[in-house]
Amino acid sequence: KAGVTQTPRYLIKTRGQQVTLSCSPISGHRSVSWYQQTPGQGLQFLFEYFSETQRNKGNFPGRFSGRQFSNSRSEMNVSTLELGDSALYLCASSLARQEGEQYFGPGTRLTVT
Amino acid sequence: AQTVTQSQPEMSVQEAETVTLSCTYDTSESNYYLFWYKQPPSRQMILVIRQEAYKQQNATENRFSVNFQKAAKSFSLKISDSQLGDTAMYFCAFMTNTGNQFYFGTGTSLTVIP
Repeated sequence: KAGVTQTPRYLIKTRGQQVTLSCSPISGHRSVSWYQQTPGQGLQFLFEYFSETQRNKGNFPGRFSGRQFSNSRSEMNVSTLELGDSALYLCASSLARQEGEQYFGPGTRLTVT
Repeated sequence: AQTVTQSQPEMSVQEAETVTLSCTYDTSESNYYLFWYKQPPSRQMILVIRQEAYKQQNATENRFSVNFQKAAKSFSLKISDSQLGDTAMYFCAFMTNTGNQFYFGTGTSLTVIP
């Protein structure tokens, strides 16, 4: 099976712009979670989608949003970018929540200038 | 609230030696899962080992094993016969069985010295 893929891998944006990141889970996986990874804060949970519904949400401002499509692919959007949004954004997929094992993608490195 | 603490930001070990990475967590839940993930310099996060809280037996995966102390809320990772490819950031993670949100520690950067 193909692993979790994320596009783009690298992105440079300026303050005030918006950005959309994409994640394709492993075939058959219905749960997709998003994380922000920064050197200072480590990995922080953004949100999780299951069968097109947001099931869990972390403590991030409303500028961060997401959605999941019927084929389980997910997108994450960040509006009005701030310098502090510079981070590695990781997507992870899993079959369902029962066993909890998540498979991570390579991440999208977002730089905000 | 669930928290995961990794108190060792950096560690190093000689090749072929054994190293133990520490992790403690805090939760009021009785059923949960614990994980160790490895993130090599290439950045792809890889699952190393998992432990179900209801299992008393410590999980083992080849050279990797855990010491799970439920009462102490401790979940350490032991790497035996360390190899150069073990150089990576290691994250301890926790998940309750009531949700699919993971709580990660801040990571331990492990360097294996030839």
